[in-house]
Amino acid sequence: NAGVMQNPRHLVRRRGQEARLRCSPMKGHSHVYWYRQLPEEGLKFMVYLQKENIIDESGMPKERFSAEFPKEGPSILRIQQVVRGDSAAYFCASSPGDEYEQYFGPGTRLTVT
Amino acid sequence: QKEVEQDPGPLSVPEGAIVSLNCTYSNSAFQYFMWYRQYSRKGPELLMYTYSSGNKEDGRFTAQVDKSSKYISLFIRDSQPSDSATYLCAMKEYSSASKIIFGSGTRLSIRP
Repeated sequence: NAGVMQNPRHLVRRRGQEARLRCSPMKGHSHVYWYRQLPEEGLKFMVYLQKENIIDESGMPKERFSAEFPKEGPSILRIQQVVRGDSAAYFCASSPGDEYEQYFGPGTRLTVT
Repeated sequence: QKEVEQDPGPLSVPEGAIVSLNCTYSNSAFQYFMWYRQYSRKGPELLMYTYSSGNKEDGRFTAQVDKSSKYISLFIRDSQPSDSATYLCAMKEYSSASKIIFGSGTRLSIRP
């Protein structure tokens, strides 16, 4: 059973460009969570999605960030007009339900130059 | 005040020692408690998951939860160099849309 998959693993963008991060949950998991980890800090919750629904986006910055989990295909975290402060590791986690453990992917390391 | 407090370390102990990692929290609504291990530049790996006060043991690892004191611990027996990593405590409320709140992590180094 493949784990949570994220791609790309590393992404370099210039200021002002768009970044698209993808997450494929574990087989049988319909709940997806995105977290951000700044250097030397713990993980901070961003958004919780189920298929075609955003359940909780209380951790998402109000502007430039959006997330989706379509009926088919991976979940996408999109960051428009990236700034240097967006440089971080972005982790996706999945679970079979909201009461169950969350399993994490390897992360996407975004560097904004 | 942060919802979850965790000493960042670093903590360095000799191989074979017993390691104690701790977190405190302020939100009494937290019902699920987890410990994750994260190696450098990797994703967090779930080690322990519990939802009640008391002890839970898995091999060399024991998780302890004291809800009355809002205090959780992870003990590692017979520590190995391969245990060197950052350990993150994590918690969530019992609700239909419960996000995980993480501590900042404790960096642990086991000296051979």
